[in-house]
Amino acid sequence: GDSVTQMEGPVTLSEEAFLTINCTYTATGYPSLFWYVQYPGEGLQLLLKATKADDKGSNKGFEATYRKETTSFHLEKGSVQVSDSAVYFCALSAYFTGNQFYFGTGTSLTVIP
Amino acid sequence: GAGVSQSPSNKVTEKGKDVELRCDPISGHTALYWYRQRLGQGLEFLIYFQGNSAPDKSGLPSDRFSAERTGESVSTLTIQRTQQEDSAVYLCASSLGLAGVGETQYFGPGTRLLVL
Repeated sequence: GDSVTQMEGPVTLSEEAFLTINCTYTATGYPSLFWYVQYPGEGLQLLLKATKADDKGSNKGFEATYRKETTSFHLEKGSVQVSDSAVYFCALSAYFTGNQFYFGTGTSLTVIP
Repeated sequence: GAGVSQSPSNKVTEKGKDVELRCDPISGHTALYWYRQRLGQGLEFLIYFQGNSAPDKSGLPSDRFSAERTGESVSTLTIQRTQQEDSAVYLCASSLGLAGVGETQYFGPGTRLLVL
């Protein structure tokens, strides 16, 4: 069945460091891919998404490219800030698998000044 | 504020009691999803509703769990005879259309359930 595997955390970085959080997926059909973020004390919110191969989603300095050949959707940011400290979830949805969302287990990121 | 709302925000109950959790989706959103998030774990799909179609209940963990939705509005998730392993945050999300076509889900703040 469809699934998402993302890099285990927690991840601790210094401010202005480069961030990569790996995400790979297994899916039948042509999934849409998402990154959601959960800031401390807040609900999940969409960070970015890509709906077809080679699309790049971007928001708030974060980017992820939908790579069909490697079934990946890695999240990157060139220079993290303390305010980026949160839990990041990779997710996919696919029409052919019943319109469910499949979420990864989440990666906790802490950015220290 | 036109976001997804959930109530109660916190619920403490005794093992064996029934609980009812409520979700108010964003107006106009036809799809509504329930998830469970156990401590330190990812989101576990429970059920989704799409318009007037039969709900997809494939994620409900046991027959103690049920959910209803009236039209395209409020949904309630009911857990009967609660067990300690039901302790988790229950999240509701809504979207304009079906997730499978790339629609963004908008999440509520969750209900934190603790079963003693």
